[in-house]
Amino acid sequence: NAGVTQTPKFQVLKTGQSMTLQCAQDMNHNSMYWYRQDPGMGLRLIYYSASEGTTDKGEVPNGYNVSRLNKREFSLRLESAAPSQTSVYFCASSEDANTYEQYFGPGTRLTVT
Amino acid sequence: GNSVTQMEGPVTLSEEAFLTINCTYTATGYPSLFWYVQYPGEGLQLLLKATKADDKGSNKGFEATYRKETTSFHLEKGSVQVSDSAVYFCALKRSNYQLIWGAGTKLIIKP
Repeated sequence: NAGVTQTPKFQVLKTGQSMTLQCAQDMNHNSMYWYRQDPGMGLRLIYYSASEGTTDKGEVPNGYNVSRLNKREFSLRLESAAPSQTSVYFCASSEDANTYEQYFGPGTRLTVT
Repeated sequence: GNSVTQMEGPVTLSEEAFLTINCTYTATGYPSLFWYVQYPGEGLQLLLKATKADDKGSNKGFEATYRKETTSFHLEKGSVQVSDSAVYFCALKRSNYQLIWGAGTKLIIKP
């Protein structure tokens, strides 16, 4: 089992460019999450998908959109990147929204110049 | 509101030293509490959890006790190894989907 995979691992964008971060899980989990990790701030939830076909905003959704493509895949899109979006992005999944344990991917380090 | 406060790092110890990483929380009701660990270059993984007051979570020699009276969930290990070098995150779970995270504490173990 690969668990949770994310692509790309690293990305550099110019201000105003767009990109999509991909995430897939092979554990048949219902719920998936996108977080950003900034120094000294822990993880902050951007969007989550409690089940296939649903998505909801988290703590910091502005500037992002998501798509739950199917049960396995959950993508995060930056339509017009800004330097404030420079961060490490983690995708995670859990059996369902009430399950304690979340499984994380290795992360994508994004720099916006 | 709900929040988690961890001691600032980095924490630097010698191998075989005793480890404590402090975590305190603010929450309504009775949240579940967690410690996650992030090894270099990897995603986070669950280390241990406690779901009610006085519960002790344990894994890989690490322990933490849910103390409601002091709203704390301190992480301890009796004898650390170089392989324990990582960033440790304390988190709490409200009644819904969301985990509330501490800022993380970087642990460096020197041989």
